[in-house]
Amino acid sequence: EAGVVQSPRYKIIEKKQPVAFWCNPISGHNTLYWYRQNLGQGPELLIRYENEEAVDDSQLPKDRFSAERLKGVDSTLKIQPAELGDSAVYLCASSLEGEQFFGPGTRLTVL
Amino acid sequence: KQEVTQIPAALSVPEGENLVLNCSFTDSAIYNLQWFRQDPGKGLTSLLLIQSSQREQTSGRLNASLDKSSGRSTLYIAASQPGDSATYLCAASGGSYIPTFGRGTSLIVHP
Repeated sequence: EAGVVQSPRYKIIEKKQPVAFWCNPISGHNTLYWYRQNLGQGPELLIRYENEEAVDDSQLPKDRFSAERLKGVDSTLKIQPAELGDSAVYLCASSLEGEQFFGPGTRLTVL
Repeated sequence: KQEVTQIPAALSVPEGENLVLNCSFTDSAIYNLQWFRQDPGKGLTSLLLIQSSQREQTSGRLNASLDKSSGRSTLYIAASQPGDSATYLCAASGGSYIPTFGRGTSLIVHP
């Protein structure tokens, strides 16, 4: 069974540029999470989806971040414009009955 | 707001030792608690999931316990091996399924 797939694995951009991350969850997992992880910290939840509905996005900086999961399967997280402080690893996870499974993450560097 | 603390922050042990990693949480109204390991530059790998109605879970050399009344979970690793070297994270999920992570325990097992 394929795990959670994320792309790209690495991204380097200049500040003020846009960037997008893509996630394909494990087949059959209705719940999808996006996290941000800074060095030496645990992941922090940005947004959680149940099917195509965003049920918790209180930690998502909505002035520059947006996310979508149009058909309740794969999801895209976008940052526009990116700031230096957005440099981090962006992790996607999916779950079934509460157990989360993570993808490899996208390491974003903003110069 | 749920807060999760992991102690110790770092641990270095000789191969073969049994060890205990601690995870404490402030809000005992959790749905489940999950333990992960994270290797450098990688995503999180699920180790054990304990539902709120359970007291412990075991997988191979790993045993995780949960005491909701005291707000604590422990991960016991028996007969540690160099391959166990990684960062171990716990995540407590509340009734709204929002996971809160600790900052992790960085474990080094030296031969």
